[in-house]
Parts: sequence; structure tokens; C-alpha cells
Amino acid sequence: KQEVTQIPAALSVPEGENLVLNCSFTDSAIYNLQWFRQDPGKGLTSLLLIQSSQREQTSGRLNASLDKSSGRSTLYIAASQPGDSATYLCAVRPGGGADGLTFGKGTHLIIQP
Amino acid sequence: KAGVTQTPRYLIKTRGQQVTLSCSPISGHRSVSWYQQTPGQGLQFLFEYFSETQRNKGNFPGRFSGRQFSNSRSEMNVSTLELGDSALYLCASSLQTAQRETQYFGPGTRLLVL
Repeated sequence: KQEVTQIPAALSVPEGENLVLNCSFTDSAIYNLQWFRQDPGKGLTSLLLIQSSQREQTSGRLNASLDKSSGRSTLYIAASQPGDSATYLCAVRPGGGADGLTFGKGTHLIIQP
Repeated sequence: KAGVTQTPRYLIKTRGQQVTLSCSPISGHRSVSWYQQTPGQGLQFLFEYFSETQRNKGNFPGRFSGRQFSNSRSEMNVSTLELGDSALYLCASSLQTAQRETQYFGPGTRLLVL
């Protein structure tokens, strides 16, 4: 059974810092991996989608990497801003792609102004 | 383009009742997936529908069911509600099947079972 772990569970940093969020998964046979953010009381917003054949994806100040063999992904946020404060969730779709996403518990990020 | 909409946004029910939640995907999207989010278990996959057919199902009891209509709108039903069914229910849509596509999530329906 696929399990997804996110470390740290919570993180508080001053504005302007670069930071890395970590995600690990137990079964390397994944179809793709997605990073989401969730704001309080709201649904999920997709940030980046990495297919299993890809190593990384970039969008603005965000960069996500994928290392399938080691079962790891990182989300790099450059020049953090208070508006980046949210819970960040990592989710993998199992190999074959037919099943739903398996989510980690998330990293609760606070950017101090 | 309007995002994914879910109705109602909040719901209070008592044990033993049943409930129906609705999800309208982004216009043109044909796939709808449902997820349950609780503080203890996090986000868990319920099921996915594509072109009115259930493609796959998560590990939930038969009390949880769903369907999709020809206009891609989807409903999920929970019968014989239990206290543990209290959760945020999220639906997500994608253009084609959810496999390779980015999924767009709605704001969720928060269900409280008393």
C-alpha cells in the first residue's frame, strides 16, 4: 500500500527566505506526482504536476523535483512571501494510473512578514 | 471560466440519515473525482467518474456511492451516516481521465454528523 510522508509537518520562516519542502513515498512505481496548496477553509490548488518520466517542473518561484528511484520529491520555494502561507500537500498517483491520488498529511507553512 | 462548484457548502445531519452532495466540474471537463478529508486520515480517494462511468473506487464501504450525469455533473451519496463521516468532501475535475491531467478542486462541502 502506497504511503506518502511529508516533512516537516510545520514550518515558519521569515519573508524572503528560500525553502524546501520534502515528500517521500514508499512505492516507486508511480504514474505521476502533484503538489497542491490548501488555504484555510478552501479546496486545493494544483501547483505542479510531474509525470513519472520527468525529473522536475517549474512554475514561477516554484520548482518541484522527482527522484522515483529513491521515492522522493522536493518543492523549492524561492524568495518566500506572506501570501505563500498555506498547507502544501504532495500526492502520488500509483503506477498504471487507474487509482486515485494518495496524499501526504501536508506541511503547514507560515511566512512571517 | 468558472471553477469547480460544490453544493451545499455546509451540511449538518444526524446519525442514520443519508446525504447527497453535488459537484459541477469546469465546463468541458469530463472526469470528476471525489475525496474525503479528515484531520486524522487526511485526504482519501473515494471514486472517479468519467463519461458517466465509475473508473475506479477507493477503500470505502458501500454506503458511499456516486454517479455522473451526461452533462458531467456528479453527485455522491452517503447512506446511514455515522459520526466518522464528518469531513470535508472535495471533488476535482479534469479535462480527460484524471491520470495524466492536472486536477482542479472545488471548495468542498463540509459535512457534520451529530
